[in-house]
Amino acid sequence: LAKTTQPISMDSYEGQEVNITCSHNNIATNDYITWYQQFPSQGPRFIIQGYKTKVTNEVASLFIPADRKSSTLSLPRVSLSDTAVYYCLVGSGAGGNKLVFGAGTILRVKS
Amino acid sequence: GAGVSQSPSNKVTEKGKDVELRCDPISGHTALYWYRQSLGQGLEFLIYFQGNSAPDKSGLPSDRFSAERTGGSVSTLTIQRTQQEDSAVYLCASSFGGGQGYYGYTFGSGTRLTVV
Repeated sequence: LAKTTQPISMDSYEGQEVNITCSHNNIATNDYITWYQQFPSQGPRFIIQGYKTKVTNEVASLFIPADRKSSTLSLPRVSLSDTAVYYCLVGSGAGGNKLVFGAGTILRVKS
Repeated sequence: GAGVSQSPSNKVTEKGKDVELRCDPISGHTALYWYRQSLGQGLEFLIYFQGNSAPDKSGLPSDRFSAERTGGSVSTLTIQRTQQEDSAVYLCASSFGGGQGYYGYTFGSGTRLTVV
């Protein structure tokens, strides 16, 4: 399973764009990249998933370069409620997969 | 139900007692996972069920931990002779198929286990 590396923590202010980069140098050909968000006392929540290039949904954008060895989660105009832990995971879209969570990135949004 | 349901939400037990944690996955989801999260830590994989296949138990920390999934739906995680280091939030997740799928895994809110 591909290992991921992300910053331990990041600070931002309301209204700013936040970019969290994740390294996954050993990503396999059939691995997808998925980001989860976790608030205190809750289970992780799916944010976005991609395989290559750029994916955008109503919550975030995910940028994946051609070599797929890293990915960047972009949160536009963050608010205080975006304060959470963000996890980057890679794994196969095929059966038999189990997600391995790293330590995640603690994002603190300040007013 | 609409989401993954876990019960109880909180459990306090005495050291040495057995506990059972329950997970009701989303209807139709064939894959079910158990994770453990200690305070301030990331998620630790415990066990994975996929359809009728033998479960992946590679993450269970000791033989005091076991899990079963009946009828391909509800799952129970059992911890025997609980120890204080078992105190954590136990999270269950389910997904359609074994892979991440387009919407990834859906997690429950967890069971907070405290061993005193």
